[in-house]
Amino acid sequence: EDKVVQSPLSLVVHEGDTVTLNCSYEVTNFRSLLWYKQEKKAPTFLFMLTSSGIEKKSGRLSSILDKKELFSILNITATQTGDSAIYLCARNQAGTALIFGKGTTLSVSS
Amino acid sequence: ETGVTQTPRHLVMGMTNKKSLKCEQHLGHNAMYWYKQSAKKPLELMFVYNFKEQTENNSVPSRFSPECPNSSHLFLHLHTLQPEDSALYLCASSQVPGTLSVYGYTFGSGTRLTVV
Repeated sequence: EDKVVQSPLSLVVHEGDTVTLNCSYEVTNFRSLLWYKQEKKAPTFLFMLTSSGIEKKSGRLSSILDKKELFSILNITATQTGDSAIYLCARNQAGTALIFGKGTTLSVSS
Repeated sequence: ETGVTQTPRHLVMGMTNKKSLKCEQHLGHNAMYWYKQSAKKPLELMFVYNFKEQTENNSVPSRFSPECPNSSHLFLHLHTLQPEDSALYLCASSQVPGTLSVYGYTFGSGTRLTVV
């Protein structure tokens, strides 16, 4: 059973659309939840979430964590073609390295 | 550049070959990681090194052999691989083993390995 589950696995939208990506996780020894963007090779860091209900924002991207329901969402507003990428969610738990989900592949068409 | 450099970028090897992947970080981090990324699968953790000591081996077959001579360098030695080992191999580093700075892990660009 996957410890980090992302949905949808793939998504195709038009420029200007708003998208919501989902990530659910197991609670064991939870410390934080991270989002990464992977365009070609190296995943690049987007957000780290540790507290429930506090939104983190960077430009058109925002993310929030719900520790009661064990999920996080990543929102992208006014999408651009440059947002096309794989978005990875990862759980940080005590005593081990980051555990990743399968990722959501986002394609933004012009 | 992320500060984590992986070489080579691409590698094609036969099943009887021996090759090595290299990872180098210039960020002053103390923990380094190998991940395997295959199509339609999550990033799979392979090995973890904290202060040059291996602290995790995630049931990786012995045909993959890691080496960490110092906190800045990490190698993955490959021998007698199988075609299903073809994947993107990512190296990452972090500042403090077991906990994360506000920036999480820093990843290299990976080595795309094809086993023929």
